[in-house]
Formats: sequence, C-alpha cells, structure tokens
Amino acid sequence: GDSVTQMEGPVTLSEEAFLTINCTYTATGYPSLFWYVQYPGEGLQLLLKATKADDKGSNKGFEATYRKETTSFHLEKGSVQVSDSAVYFCALSDSGGGADGLTFGKGTHLIIQP
Amino acid sequence: SQTIHQWPATLVQPVGSPLSLECTVEGTSNPNLYWYRQAAGRGLQLLFYSVGIGQISSEVPQNLSASRPQDRQFILSSKKLLLSDSGFYLCAWSALDTRVTQYFGPGTRLLVL
Repeated sequence: GDSVTQMEGPVTLSEEAFLTINCTYTATGYPSLFWYVQYPGEGLQLLLKATKADDKGSNKGFEATYRKETTSFHLEKGSVQVSDSAVYFCALSDSGGGADGLTFGKGTHLIIQP
Repeated sequence: SQTIHQWPATLVQPVGSPLSLECTVEGTSNPNLYWYRQAAGRGLQLLFYSVGIGQISSEVPQNLSASRPQDRQFILSSKKLLLSDSGFYLCAWSALDTRVTQYFGPGTRLLVL
C-alpha cells in the first residue's frame, strides 16, 4: 500500500537557518503530494502541494519539488523564523480521482530558537 | 469562502460513555467529508470518509461510527468509549470537482478517563 516516510525530529534550528525536511513516498499510481503544517493545539493547514512530476509547490517562503525519480517531496525554506515552529506533515493522495483519504507521514516537529 | 467547524473543541469523557462529535462545512455543496484521528506522537489515521448523504466508508474496524445526515454535516459517534479512543479528531473536506486537496477543521481533543 501507499506510505510516506519523513524525519520525525524534533528538528531544532536557529532563526534564519536553512531548513530541509525530507519526505519520501511509496505509491502504486501517480499521487499528488502535500505538505501540511500544524501549530500547537490547532488543526492542519495546507502549506503547499504538487500534483505531477517536476511541479514545485511554494507558499510563505517554503518550497517543495515533486521528484518522481527519487520518489521525494522535500520541504525547504531559506531562512526560518521563530513563527515557523510547528509540526509539518508530508502526505499523498493516490485516489485517482476518487474520494479516498490522504496518507500521512508521522510528522516532523520543528523548533526554531531565536 | 469555505469554512469548516468542529465542536466541541475539547471533551473529557469517562470510559463506557457515549460520544458525538460534529463537523459542519459552509460555503460549498456536495463536499467529500473525512474523519481522521491523531494519537499522541503519531501521524493521522483516516477513520471514515463520505461522498454524499448517508454514504459512509470505513477505513479501519473500531469502536466508532460515522453518519452524514445532511450534505454538509458529518458526525462521529460511539456507544461506549474506550481508553484507546483518546486523541485529536480532525474533520476535513474536499471539493467534489477537485477531490485531491483536503482542508481541515480545528479539531476536537478527546480524553477518555
């Protein structure tokens, strides 16, 4: 079945550091890929997405490129801020147009220190 | 714009008591609706999804059930809660014509004692 693997952390960085959170996936079809962010005590917010190979999703300074050859969708940001501290989830949808749910990684807890 | 509501925000229930969590979506019609559970230190697990009124698909066998009495209302229930039902419950929706992207509600934190 489908699966998503991401580094669990916690990942601790200083403000203005470069961020990479790795995400790799296994899917039978041609999935769409997502990054969601969860701030403490809140639900998940869609951060960015990519629906086909070589697409780059971007939002709020975060970027991720859909790499079919390496089955990866790594999240990057050039200069993190304290407000980026949260849990980040990589997810895929392999529904082929159906209504199935998303398959999530276990989440990466990111801590940014001032 | 579309919004999704969940209530209650927090719930503490004794073992063996019933449960009813509600989710409603505004600003869209015929959404696909989903219930997920997030257990402490773990990722999200899909529990149920629905493509229309009265249509429920269950992903895992469990102590919970779901119902969709109205187009934009999705309810998660249990007749008798177990300790293992504790967790953070998230409702999500996706549009009928763009099924892939899901949008999440604020969640309900359930503690079963």
